[in-house]
Amino acid sequence: AQRVTQPEKLLSVFKGAPVELKCNYSYSGSPELFWYVQYSRQRLQLLLRHISRESIKGFTADLNKGETSFHLKKPFAQEEDSAMYYCALDNQGGKLIFGQGTELSVKP
Amino acid sequence: KAGVTQTPRYLIKTRGQQVTLSCSPISGHRSVSWYQQTPGQGLQFLFEYFSETQRNKGNFPGRFSGRQFSNSRSEMNVSTLELGDSALYLCASSLSPDEAFFGQGTRLTVV
Repeated sequence: AQRVTQPEKLLSVFKGAPVELKCNYSYSGSPELFWYVQYSRQRLQLLLRHISRESIKGFTADLNKGETSFHLKKPFAQEEDSAMYYCALDNQGGKLIFGQGTELSVKP
Repeated sequence: KAGVTQTPRYLIKTRGQQVTLSCSPISGHRSVSWYQQTPGQGLQFLFEYFSETQRNKGNFPGRFSGRQFSNSRSEMNVSTLELGDSALYLCASSLSPDEAFFGQGTRLTVV
């Protein structure tokens, strides 16, 4: 069965520290993976997608098919990064399977 | 451009009633998806419509249904409401599979 797992419900770091939000998936095929973010009182929005291999707001994520992982990383966390982060897998174009989410709290 | 608009933002219904939620996608977007978000289950896919046809369906009972109109606006309906249907219902529209744009959601409370 297709599944996305985010093992940490809450991740708390200090400003300037590195951040890694973990995401593992199970999918039989070539997955399309995304990270979505929800800032306080804002709607869920796309942060980045693996297919574009881009860096957004300093975040990067590399798809590791061997480890079936798509961890989100940022070398130096900022307070404005505090939010809920969701890893998602596109099952069949239009159907997203989400992980349970990780709340990132960046302390001053 | 205007984002995805969901109405109403909040609803309180009684068990056994039915409810209809509305979603207006971004202009030009023909795909509309619906998700249920709860603290226990997280974000779960309900169904997806494209050009008035349901393309994908999640694992929800038949009490949950939807439709899409020719202008791409979509509605979802939940009949015979149960307490467990209390959730935030999110609608997302997309032009391509690469990015889904989400609405603010409709908070449904069943009492």
